[in-house]
Amino acid sequence: VQLLDSGGGLVQPGGSLTLSCTASGFMFGIYAMSWVRQAPGKGLEWVSGVGSSGTTTYYADSVKGRFTISRDNSKSTVYLQMNSLKADDTAVYYCAKEATSMTGDYFDHWGQGTLVTV
Amino acid sequence: DIQMTQSPSTLSASVGDRVTITCRASQSISDWLAWHQQKPGKAPKLLIYKASNLESGVPSRFSGSGSGTEFTLTISSLQPDDFATYYCQQYESHSTFGQGTKLEI
Repeated sequence: VQLLDSGGGLVQPGGSLTLSCTASGFMFGIYAMSWVRQAPGKGLEWVSGVGSSGTTTYYADSVKGRFTISRDNSKSTVYLQMNSLKADDTAVYYCAKEATSMTGDYFDHWGQGTLVTV
Repeated sequence: DIQMTQSPSTLSASVGDRVTITCRASQSISDWLAWHQQKPGKAPKLLIYKASNLESGVPSRFSGSGSGTEFTLTISSLQPDDFATYYCQQYESHSTFGQGTKLEI
């Protein structure tokens, strides 16, 4: 299993950024995926999850209305579109594979992370 | 939202010691609990799921127990590679992590 996170960078407050996570080594289309972030020197915070088909999505209250999670099973890729970014969104963002098809499970594999600085 | 509280926040120990980390949930989560290990600058790694199930490839010196609101992660004999930060994760309702326990020499 490999998860390759990309798309991070420096963005001004109020700006937008889209993160990508490209998966390999497993049947991507049958597993839920999530994004988890970690602010500098802080703990882990779940951000958003998407079910295997892409029709079910959930968000943490801290990002609801600003972030959108989506997936393209034909490309084995999950995305996180981030709008109206705030300084508090500064963090390393990890993509995580969930253990089943329904989001809301434990994370059994993690990407290497991509740093977003607002 | 379900809150997770770990104790202690920092734990000093030596190679060969037996250590226990506790995680408490603000409401019952049955056994929907996982433990992850994170080393500086690296992604977390799954150790335990469903409170007591050892992930494939994880050394047997790691064990988990508990149900309801109180859970423990035990390392039976610390090895140099075990010095890291440990997080519990509840997945009864979406996901919430504990604040982490840093295990230091």
